[in-house]
Amino acid sequence: GAGVSQSPSNKVTEKGKDVELRCDPISGHTALYWYRQSLGQGLEFLIYFQGNSAPDKSGLPSDRFSAERTGGSVSTLTIQRTQQEDSAVYLCASSLAPTGTGNNEQFFGPGTRLTVL
Amino acid sequence: KNQVEQSPQSLIILEGKNCTLQCNYTVSPFSNLRWYKQDTGRGPVSLTIMTFSENTKSNGRYTATLDADTKQSSLHITASQLSDSASYICVVSENSGGYQKVTFGTGTKLQVIP
Repeated sequence: GAGVSQSPSNKVTEKGKDVELRCDPISGHTALYWYRQSLGQGLEFLIYFQGNSAPDKSGLPSDRFSAERTGGSVSTLTIQRTQQEDSAVYLCASSLAPTGTGNNEQFFGPGTRLTVL
Repeated sequence: KNQVEQSPQSLIILEGKNCTLQCNYTVSPFSNLRWYKQDTGRGPVSLTIMTFSENTKSNGRYTATLDADTKQSSLHITASQLSDSASYICVVSENSGGYQKVTFGTGTKLQVIP
């Protein structure tokens, strides 16, 4: 596929369960970002990957949140012991490179809507 | 703390009319500013990008302006169409430790009605 893909598109889980969200970035994009968007709110930065390393994970709200990226491609965002306040749309984006002006455009996936009951 | 503020928060206009959305930012050091369009249930899509030296940039019926001195940007939509109904997000990039950290505005929700 040509764009960023995310799975699942929707996830309903019970409070206290762990969830894994997946992001497949555009092939060749070295930078990958995770964001969270609560209903009616702006995008909240979570973590940034350059290759397989995460130089900026300052947005992760608690130690229940973690993310990894393997092979410089697929990334997984894991939320442990989910809470109701974790309910949101989780968006992934990738960009060709993190620096420069024209090439830092972030291409977004469709998001995963997480509902914690 | 870097901030990006947008106004109005929401806007309803008649099809065919023009509108202007505002963005004020405090991000520094400034690298570039993008306007994104986010349709309901989808990820944001970039409309325009402007660097420090650019005052205006057009993309079809969308025209963005930038005043880097006052740290203000606007997005003007001409002859609005029903498909313009979406959230418009102002995103400002800074040079931070070797990569461009971005700050997102909370968006303006535009509704175009027939």
